[in-house]
Amino acid sequence: EAQVTQNPRYLITVTGKKLTVTCSQNMNHEYMSWYRQDPGLGLRQIYYSMNVEVTDKGDVPEGYKVSRKEKRNFPLILESPSPNQTSLYFCASSLSGNWAEAFFGQGTRLTVV
Amino acid sequence: AQSVSQHNHHVILSEAASLELGCNYSYGGTVNLFWYVQYPGQHLQLLLKYFSGDPLVKGIKGFEAEFIKSKFSFNLRKPSVQWSDTAEYFCAVNAFGNEKLTFGTGTRLTIIP
Repeated sequence: EAQVTQNPRYLITVTGKKLTVTCSQNMNHEYMSWYRQDPGLGLRQIYYSMNVEVTDKGDVPEGYKVSRKEKRNFPLILESPSPNQTSLYFCASSLSGNWAEAFFGQGTRLTVV
Repeated sequence: AQSVSQHNHHVILSEAASLELGCNYSYGGTVNLFWYVQYPGQHLQLLLKYFSGDPLVKGIKGFEAEFIKSKFSFNLRKPSVQWSDTAEYFCAVNAFGNEKLTFGTGTRLTIIP
C-alpha cells in the first residue's frame, strides 16, 4: 500500500531536548516536504526536498533541520525545541514538483513544555 | 511568490444547504490549484485539482470548483452538504515551475444536522 509514515504520532518533550520526527515513503517519490499546522494559520511549509541531498527552506524553517540521505526518508530535526514549536506536523511526498499526486502522513502532534 | 487566501474562517450550515468556500491566489503566471479536506483527527485528502482545460473541476464526494483566472479565484462548491462534510478545507497553489505547494489558512466547515 502506498503511504507516507511518520513517527512518532504523539510526542511530549521538554525545552531544549533534541528530537527527530521520522518520515518515510514507499513510492519512490522525488519530492518530500514538511509542514506545520497551527490553528488559524493553516499549513506552513518548513522545508522541502527535491531529491537525495537536495533540500530547500520553506516559509518557516527557523529552529528546524532536515536531511535527505536516502530517497525514502526525510527526517525533521529539532535541535533545541521551544514551546513555540508545539504544533501538528505533516510530512508529504510527491512524484513531481507540481504536487499533482501528493501523499500526506498521518501527522505528529508535538508538545514542547 | 505564490500565496493563497481563504477568507471564510468558519462556516456553519444546515444539512442540504448549498456550499461555496472562497479561495484566491496571488501569482501572475500559470498555476496548479488544489482543494484538500481534513476530517477531524485525520491527514489531508485531495478533493480535486485544476491543472489545465475545463475550468470547472469535479472532485470526490460531490464537490466541484471553478477556476476563474480573471479573478484569481478557485472557489469550492457543493450543491447540498451532509453532516459528514464537517471538516476543515484547505485551498493550495503550486506555481508552474515552482516546486512548492502553498496552503491557505483553511476554512472550518460545521454542518448542523
